[in-house]
Amino acid sequence: AQSVTQLGSHVSVSEGALVLLRCNYSSSVPPYLFWYVQYPNQGLQLLLKYTSAATLVKGINGFEAEFKKSETSFHLTKPSAHMSDAAEYFCAVSDPGYSSASKIIFGSGTRLSIRP
Amino acid sequence: GAVVSQHPSRVICKSGTSVKIECRSLDFQATTMFWYRQFPKQSLMLMATSNEGSKATYEQGVEKDKFLINHASLTLSTLTVTSAHPEDSSFYICSARIHSQGRREQFFGPGTRLTVL
Repeated sequence: AQSVTQLGSHVSVSEGALVLLRCNYSSSVPPYLFWYVQYPNQGLQLLLKYTSAATLVKGINGFEAEFKKSETSFHLTKPSAHMSDAAEYFCAVSDPGYSSASKIIFGSGTRLSIRP
Repeated sequence: GAVVSQHPSRVICKSGTSVKIECRSLDFQATTMFWYRQFPKQSLMLMATSNEGSKATYEQGVEKDKFLINHASLTLSTLTVTSAHPEDSSFYICSARIHSQGRREQFFGPGTRLTVL
């Protein structure tokens, strides 16, 4: 079975500061990993995904994440936070290849707040 | 990117009634669609996986007779909440997967807010 654990249900940073949202995964097979963002009362938007190519993945809005197999981690970072980054962020995992049986499993989410 | 729509975006109903939520892939054919439920300030929990033309596969703890899923075509899946009760109030999100030669991605709809009075 696959799972992800997001450390910290709420993270608060100052505008312009580094954003670091932590995610650790558990998977018996090489995983696909994702970060999604959700704004209030809206659906999910894909920020970036790791699909076994480059371990450093760049996404939209200046976010990036690094796959570290030795640490089973896929932390999300952004060098400089913007007020518009305030949202809920979900780390997710699936088995590779999008087989008919594979499904995306979500972490518990981290709410990011930005202080002016 | 591909677009997944849901209708309605919000619905309020009385306890005991049934509610149907539609999920459409607008510009691609989806062999597999997924239904998630999200309670306030919580994560998305997968309810079921549906493949076009076959019965849905439900996750453990999800009542298949209460949450009826129909995936009648490659662009449409419906979720019917039967005999809805206040505890069914939630945000329901569908997802559709492209799985064709050279492209494998999954896209999420904007969600449907269900409130049962």
